[in-house]
Amino acid sequence: EDQVTQSPEALRLQEGESSSLNCSYTVSGLRGLFWYRQDPGKGPEFLFTLYSAGEEKEKERLKATLTKKESFLHITAPKPEDSATYLCAVQGNSGYALNFGKGTSLLVTP
Amino acid sequence: NAGVMQNPRHLVRRRGQEARLRCSPMKGHSHVYWYRQLPEEGLKFMVYLQKENIIDESGMPKERFSAEFPKEGPSILRIQQVVRGDSAAYFCASSPDGSYEQYFGPGTRLTVT
Repeated sequence: EDQVTQSPEALRLQEGESSSLNCSYTVSGLRGLFWYRQDPGKGPEFLFTLYSAGEEKEKERLKATLTKKESFLHITAPKPEDSATYLCAVQGNSGYALNFGKGTSLLVTP
Repeated sequence: NAGVMQNPRHLVRRRGQEARLRCSPMKGHSHVYWYRQLPEEGLKFMVYLQKENIIDESGMPKERFSAEFPKEGPSILRIQQVVRGDSAAYFCASSPDGSYEQYFGPGTRLTVT
């Protein structure tokens, strides 16, 4: 059974203080690993898809990386508007469902 | 380009009533997925549909829940005889042919009183 574990559950950063969020996964044949951002009361907003170990993708202050067992979301010099819950999900070769972790709640203070 | 649309955004039902949640996918997307997010829990897959077909309903409760995606019109998630435990946020996502990326709507928050 696919499993996704995200850590930490919550993270508080000062503005400009870089850090990383972790997503550990087990899946029988990875089709893709997905990162989303979710603001309170809203739907998940798509950020990145990673398909194979060694792949990296960047968008503004965010960079996602992938190994065979985990993915990291690196946040460089975060701003208060980066505060949100970041969700990681995996999709296995056996189906189309996304299996989500419980997320990391990020708070960036000025 | 409008995103995934869901309505209503908030729905209150009394125990035993029926709830109908609607989802219009993004333009050009023919794949629809429904997920449920319970308080303090992660998003859980419920069902995957293409036009007029249910492809994977492995996450759907066996009773009271059904989904459809007709040839014309939005996808519908129907919950019969709602119970307090059905209170949750229900999200719809869509994807185009040839892509695994799923784009989510704003959700419907169902409250059962």
